[in-house]
Amino acid sequence: TQLLEQSPQFLSIQEGENLTVYCNSSSVFSSLQWYRQEPGEGPVLLVTVVTGGEVKKLKRLTFQFGDARKDSSLHITAAQPGDTGLYLCAGVVGVTSGSRLTFGEGTQLTVNP
Amino acid sequence: DAGVIQSPRHEVTEMGQEVTLRCKPISGHNSLFWYRQTMMRGLELLIYFNNNVPIDDSGMPEDRFSAKMPNASFSTLKIQPSEPRDSAVYFCASSFRGRHGTSSYEQYFGPGTRLTVT
Repeated sequence: TQLLEQSPQFLSIQEGENLTVYCNSSSVFSSLQWYRQEPGEGPVLLVTVVTGGEVKKLKRLTFQFGDARKDSSLHITAAQPGDTGLYLCAGVVGVTSGSRLTFGEGTQLTVNP
Repeated sequence: DAGVIQSPRHEVTEMGQEVTLRCKPISGHNSLFWYRQTMMRGLELLIYFNNNVPIDDSGMPEDRFSAKMPNASFSTLKIQPSEPRDSAVYFCASSFRGRHGTSSYEQYFGPGTRLTVT
């Protein structure tokens, strides 16, 4: 059973369209992160959200952490081909030094010119 | 600044051979993570170290896998003997973890090693 469920798994859209990617869990996270991974490279951190209900914006990307800290969403406005990649959410359970990140399976986004 | 460095970038080997993957974390980081990524299972944590000490190795698939971190600037992941089902991309990541409330758990990934076992 996957601790973090991401949807959709695959998304192919045209340049200029808007999209939302979801990350859901039955567990409460002390923080949640979003990463983007391009082919042949490792994931790169986009944002960390910590507070329930928190909204962060990174240019055309808007990240929201659910009030109960069990889910998150990533919204991209006016998608561009450069946004193409694998988007991964990752949650931290607990705050002790032994805590670890648990990754979702990812959403593969393709933005066609 | 140099990021996480992994070597080799690509490795092709025959079933039964020993494979050693190497990682140099970002200087100053005190936590190191080994992940495996496949299409079927996504990104899986294999093992992680804090201050060179293995903290959680529950993700290591079986005894054929072993990891060491002899010092703060070097770690290895060894597979012996290798099998075709070990084919995957293996990532190393590092982060800084301070005492309670002083870490954001942000991880910095290396470029990965693509392993193919035939």
